[in-house]
Amino acid sequence: DAKTTQPPSMDCAEGRAANLPCNHSTISGNEYVYWYRQIHSQGPQYIIHGLKNNETNEMASLIITEDRKSSTLILPHATLRDTAVYYCIVRVATQAGTALIFGKGTTLSVSS
Amino acid sequence: DAGVIQSPRHEVTEMGQEVTLRCKPISGHDYLFWYRQTMMRGLELLIYFNNNVPIDDSGMPEDRFSAKMPNASFSTLKIQPSEPRDSAVYFCATKRGSSTEAFFGQGTRLTVV
Repeated sequence: DAKTTQPPSMDCAEGRAANLPCNHSTISGNEYVYWYRQIHSQGPQYIIHGLKNNETNEMASLIITEDRKSSTLILPHATLRDTAVYYCIVRVATQAGTALIFGKGTTLSVSS
Repeated sequence: DAGVIQSPRHEVTEMGQEVTLRCKPISGHDYLFWYRQTMMRGLELLIYFNNNVPIDDSGMPEDRFSAKMPNASFSTLKIQPSEPRDSAVYFCATKRGSSTEAFFGQGTRLTVV
């Protein structure tokens, strides 16, 4: 199974862009990169996912390198409510189905 | 839709007692996952179901843990007997098979004293 590596913590000033890196050097060709976040005392929440191309939605942008060995989640204008643990996940296949396997994630602290 | 509903939100029980956690999935979602979260081990996948059938229970820590999904609207995770080391937040998540996004409930915080 492909694994991911993320920095344990990052800080960001409110209103600035938060760039969260993720390394996944052993990713397979058909595996997607997913990002979830978990705000304190809540369940994880889906943010975005991608395979090869860069992706953007109302929450964030995902930049995947051409060799797919790393990616960056970008929150363009971070707010205090973006303070959370951010998980980068490579989808793995478990028996007949699929499941999300979470690592340690990056704790993002946004301050004013 | 109200989302994934878990009950109770908080449970405090004495060691040795049976504990049952409940999950109501989002209507139409055919995958259901049970996770456990602790400070030491993070988020761990315990078991998941597809169309009410257990697909992978390799994450269930030991025989004291069991999970059932009697129908598409309900799942339980039971611990019998409970031990202090079972104290954690237990999350239920569901998704539609064709979707890439999983939806998590608010979790059940279990404390075994």
